[in-house]
Amino acid sequence: DTGVSQNPRHKITKRGQNVTFRCDPISEHNRLYWYRQTLGQGPEFLTYFQNEAQLEKSRLLSDRFSAERPKGSFSTLEIQRTEQGDSAMYLCASSLGGGPANYEQYFGPGTRLTVT
Amino acid sequence: AQKVTQAQTEISVVEKEDVTLDCVYETRDTTYYLFWYKQPPSGELVFLIRRNSFDEQNEISGRYSWNFQKSTSSFNFTITASQVVDSAVYFCALSESHSNDYKLSFGAGTTVTVRA
Repeated sequence: DTGVSQNPRHKITKRGQNVTFRCDPISEHNRLYWYRQTLGQGPEFLTYFQNEAQLEKSRLLSDRFSAERPKGSFSTLEIQRTEQGDSAMYLCASSLGGGPANYEQYFGPGTRLTVT
Repeated sequence: AQKVTQAQTEISVVEKEDVTLDCVYETRDTTYYLFWYKQPPSGELVFLIRRNSFDEQNEISGRYSWNFQKSTSSFNFTITASQVVDSAVYFCALSESHSNDYKLSFGAGTTVTVRA
């Protein structure tokens, strides 16, 4: 399977705990995006990477959130001191970048986070 | 401000009926990109089409067709002769060129239910 993969698929945690999600993009894709999707809504942009550089962060990304892409390959999204409002589906997407012909973003299956 | 509006929350049709999903967008960019994604019950967003702002040609792909009209800022999607497998949430999304991040701004989605 050469698509975008995300792990874990589901995570249940207690409020106040830290969680970390992983995304493996399509191998030759330079851009990696994180989105959050709550029930009944479309995905909302959180942050994106061009290779290993994190170039933009949404206002949705509070100080409790941090994302990394250390070698320009896989990425991790960590949420510290989780709150019930963090319950959502966290989606990762990747794209080739480098020009208009390569702007399609391909999404992974998502990690569904439930904070109890 | 909402950049993409999908006014239809839910649509229910009987198999073989046609269904049209509306999408209205808002941007000040002269160069932008519009997308449709499908999200089946499994949850993974599936890319369907990308349309560039400078290409107003309508497109047909099998039972799917798209009508892009810049004059009304609309990018509507029609499924002809719908099938049960078309049941999903469909998202329209906008990517603007001014920030160079090409993040996607999604509408709230339209849930399509095709009954046998």
